Amino acid sequence: SQKIEQNSEALNIQEGKTATLTCNYTNYSPAYLQWYRQDPGRGPVFLLLIRENEKEKRKERLKVTFDTTLKQSLFHITASQPADSATYLCALDMVRPGRRALTFGSGTRLQVQP
Amino acid sequence: GAVVSQHPSWVICKSGTSVKIECRSLDFQATTMFWYRQFPKQSLMLMATSNEGSKATYEQGVEKDKFLINHASLTLSTLTVTSAHPEDSSFYICSAKTGTSIMNTEAFFGQGTRLTVV
Repeated sequence: SQKIEQNSEALNIQEGKTATLTCNYTNYSPAYLQWYRQDPGRGPVFLLLIRENEKEKRKERLKVTFDTTLKQSLFHITASQPADSATYLCALDMVRPGRRALTFGSGTRLQVQP
Repeated sequence: GAVVSQHPSWVICKSGTSVKIECRSLDFQATTMFWYRQFPKQSLMLMATSNEGSKATYEQGVEKDKFLINHASLTLSTLTVTSAHPEDSSFYICSAKTGTSIMNTEAFFGQGTRLTVV
């Protein structure tokens, strides 16, 4: 069956360091992959989208890589700040008739210590 | 970015009653909206895809008679939890996509509704 896996353990890092989060998927060949941020009690907020023909994408302090051979995406936050503390979700489009919705990984909680 | 407004943000209801949750796209037309459910420390689970003017498509295991979805206009979709029970207590989130290509655009989410059934 299709699976999207993220490290369920929380990631704790020191302010100023680079946070790296991993998203692995199996039995699926997505055309693109997305990353979202979710704060407690709130809906997810879109961060970045990367297509299968793109190796890397950047937006300010964020960087996403996409390796379709390894079936893996890495999400980096450089110069991390306490305000970056949140749960980060990766998502893939699951294309089935009438069901073009995003399927999410379980998310990784990031805690940036001041 | 586009704004999706969800209401109410939280609701407490008695077991056996029904609760309606609204999802509005404020500055764009959403031909398709999605309803998710999220349990604590778990991911979002897709419940159904709502298309304007037609019946919703439910995911396997989701009771369509219990979770009624109506998408009567291009800016409004509603989810009604009928005859709610404590096990229906959860965080419900709607989302919508913009653009003509529904495949490769990001999704915009409402702020979610915390439902507690007592």
